[in-house]
Amino acid sequence: DAGVIQSPRHEVTEMGQEVTLRCKPISGHDYLFWYRQTMMRGLELLIYFNNNVPIDDSGMPEDRFSAKMPNASFSTLKIQPSEPRDSAVYFCASSPLGGTEAFFGQGTRLTVV
Amino acid sequence: KNEVEQSPQNLTAQEGEFITINCSYSVGISALHWLQQHPGGGIVSLFMLSSGKKKHGRLIATINIQEKHSSLHITASHPRDSAVYICAVPGAQGGSEKLVFGKGTKLTVNP
Repeated sequence: DAGVIQSPRHEVTEMGQEVTLRCKPISGHDYLFWYRQTMMRGLELLIYFNNNVPIDDSGMPEDRFSAKMPNASFSTLKIQPSEPRDSAVYFCASSPLGGTEAFFGQGTRLTVV
Repeated sequence: KNEVEQSPQNLTAQEGEFITINCSYSVGISALHWLQQHPGGGIVSLFMLSSGKKKHGRLIATINIQEKHSSLHITASHPRDSAVYICAVPGAQGGSEKLVFGKGTKLTVNP
């Protein structure tokens, strides 16, 4: 398996624009996580899914953020409208079972200007 | 909420030195994770442990559940070990899937 695949690797957008980040988890993994990493706050869990169902989205900072998982092989994290404070690295990770080791994607570095 | 503290924040060592990174947490847990983040940004899971000790090559992770403390040791350190090492534990109110992360320890190993 190629591992967790995220796209794009880098995204630069203007404030107010919609941004969509994409993730393909490892096949057969039941859990998918979206994390955000900033210098100030480190890594934070935004939302996670189990079998395509959102389980906990309490980490999603605002209504501007939304995440979907239409099927077992694809998830999106959308920010609309984007703001400069959303600039961060966004990681997607998947794991086969709850509470087990997670496999991380390479991350998407988002810059909102 | 589980609070995670790592020490030191930054660590510089000479090649060959024995390295220890510490992690303390505030609420009892089922398992603790150690992650490695390379200078390029990629994150790799190193260990998940719930008791005792685990070893993988030159890396050793230990955990003391009673003291709510874990250590990551690197023997015979090498410049390629230079990375940020992150400790993570389940949040107190969430399931084991919902991790809370330490701020990381940046390790630099000089040749």
